[in-house]
Amino acid sequence: GENVEQHPSTLSVQEGDSAVIKCTYSDSASNYFPWYKQELGKRPQLIIDIRSNVGEKKDQRIAVTLNKTAKHFSLHITETQPEDSAVYFCAASKSNFGNEKLTFGTGTRLTIIP
Amino acid sequence: EAQVTQNPRYLITVTGKKLTVTCSQNMNHEYMSWYRQDPGLGLRQIYYSMNVEVTDKGDVPEGYKVSRKEKRNFPLILESPSPNQTSLYFCASSLNPTAGETQYFGPGTRLLVL
Repeated sequence: GENVEQHPSTLSVQEGDSAVIKCTYSDSASNYFPWYKQELGKRPQLIIDIRSNVGEKKDQRIAVTLNKTAKHFSLHITETQPEDSAVYFCAASKSNFGNEKLTFGTGTRLTIIP
Repeated sequence: EAQVTQNPRYLITVTGKKLTVTCSQNMNHEYMSWYRQDPGLGLRQIYYSMNVEVTDKGDVPEGYKVSRKEKRNFPLILESPSPNQTSLYFCASSLNPTAGETQYFGPGTRLLVL
């Protein structure tokens, strides 16, 4: 089955600087890669996702890049703000009808230092 | 208001005493899923369901059962709970999570098995 590794497990960044979180996946057939943000004591929420037919996607200060050859994808947060402090999870899935299993990484705790 | 609800939110039980955690969504979503979240292990998918009467195993299905008799409900059943099932459980629903449709998470159920 799919295996997703996520690094680093913790990350501290000065406010205003950029943060990068990286994930690698094992199944070359995986074609959908979402990122979730979980604030302390709250439920995970989807923040951005990317499909295997594109290499990069941006949404304001957040971007995700995908390298299919190397089987890794990354989350980039620019101009970080205190409200970006949270745990971030990457995930991977093969989108086939009847097989929508999502495999998550182990999470990255991001702390923004004011 | 579109939402995913779980009950109970907190539960303390003893080994071997059958329990059910309910999950309900009001968004007419076809896809529903159960995850457990443990420190250092991230989110792991237990079971998911593509539609009524269609369920499939995730990464950690052992010790759990699910049913999907109607679209809005997806209960998680622990027939004989054990201490290693102590965890934070999330239910989630989506139109189609790997087609870019947001997966909405419930508020979580914190379970302690003594």
